[in-house]
Amino acid sequence: EVQLVESGGGLVQPGKSLRLSCAASGFTFSTYSMTWFRQAPGMGLEWLSYISDSSDTKYYADSVKGRFTISRDNAKNSLDLQMTSLRDEDTAVYYCATGSGWQYYFDYWGQGTLVTVSS
Amino acid sequence: DIQMTQSPSSVSASVGDRVTITCRASQGISSWLAWYQQKPGKAPKLLIYAASRLESGVPSRFSGSGSGTEFTLTISSLQPEDFATYYCQQADTFPQITFGQGTRLEIK
Repeated sequence: EVQLVESGGGLVQPGKSLRLSCAASGFTFSTYSMTWFRQAPGMGLEWLSYISDSSDTKYYADSVKGRFTISRDNAKNSLDLQMTSLRDEDTAVYYCATGSGWQYYFDYWGQGTLVTVSS
Repeated sequence: DIQMTQSPSSVSASVGDRVTITCRASQGISSWLAWYQQKPGKAPKLLIYAASRLESGVPSRFSGSGSGTEFTLTISSLQPEDFATYYCQQADTFPQITFGQGTRLEIK
């Protein structure tokens, strides 16, 4: 069974940093690209960042470029999102996801981890 | 960036009704479109991909159509478990994808 489990969320002050992780199991992690999304309270879904299977390609949304860094460890089946210079508007549930068939569509999602940025 | 606009933003319907949700892209995206269902506190669930292909395990009352800039998701006969929020997602510019703002389907 495919599982994606996010962790690392919590309450953090503006300007501080936080590192999210996504533990993958039930599939050959090293052969799948991975993506982070987020959803602010009561709002829609926002694409944040993409990393290819071998980590050689990374993309970021303009809203997080220069502040967030995506990385993965294929030996540990894990995906990370390092978040710095956090702002109030970064408050959201953060999801990791992947596409098992067509990589362009996301059929596997984690349960999400809540990040609250507040003083 | 390609903008995705869903209509309506919310709709009220009854069990057994037929419901159609529309998604328009700001430029042509061929058939690079997916539909997701999201229930409160849960992750999105993939329903339709490539505009009209039904994801494995999704009931056949869900169907998708369209290409280019206009797409529809139709639920042929609403069931109680279908009341949720629905999102379209364009994949034409993958990996830099965008979603519609969502359509909330409520019980009348």
